[in-house]
Amino acid sequence: IAGITQAPTSQILAAGRRMTLRCTQDMRHNAMYWYRQDLGLGLRLIHYSNTAGTTGKGEVPDGYSVSRANTDDFPLTLASAVPSQTSVYFCASSPGTGDPGELFFGEGSRLTVL
Amino acid sequence: GQNIDQPTEMTATEGAIVQINCTYQTSGFNGLFWYQQHAGEAPTFLSYNVLDGLEEKGRFSSFLSRSKGYSYLLLKELQMKDSASYLCAVTNSNYQLIWGAGTKLIIKP
Repeated sequence: IAGITQAPTSQILAAGRRMTLRCTQDMRHNAMYWYRQDLGLGLRLIHYSNTAGTTGKGEVPDGYSVSRANTDDFPLTLASAVPSQTSVYFCASSPGTGDPGELFFGEGSRLTVL
Repeated sequence: GQNIDQPTEMTATEGAIVQINCTYQTSGFNGLFWYQQHAGEAPTFLSYNVLDGLEEKGRFSSFLSRSKGYSYLLLKELQMKDSASYLCAVTNSNYQLIWGAGTKLIIKP
């Protein structure tokens, strides 16, 4: 049982490059989320999707975009990476829509932008 | 604004008991979560409180007082594997999940 799979697990990227972080879940959960985690700060929501075909902006959406073409996949794209986007990115899912309930997290993608 | 406060770091001894506090100020309340996160790993769900009182689950218990905007996570019979960060999160009236920065718990032999 995979749960949530993220790729890549780690990446070093030159500033200005485009990057897509992949996230796939096999639990048929309705809602999916992208968070970034930085030292000394709580998890911050970048974008979310309550159901396939819909997306919404979270707390820190600037510089990021997402799509939700189907239930399982929720990729996060950095159109033109900047050093401040150096972070650990977590994809998460939950069964419900609206009320997040318990979240199930992927293992994270560590991104370094130079 | 909305915020979650918890201590940055705590140290405890193997076999002992530790209490990690969390205070919150949010626009409404629809539940409080505790997650455990080992270094370099993903957060994993520990507990959920929506009503006042104590929820016990094995060696871990979580308490909630909605009137005080306060929760604690109690860990008993500490083991070395309990060394991790503990994240407090609150669902507000818009069902947004607000996260604390986490408490790093260090267990010493």
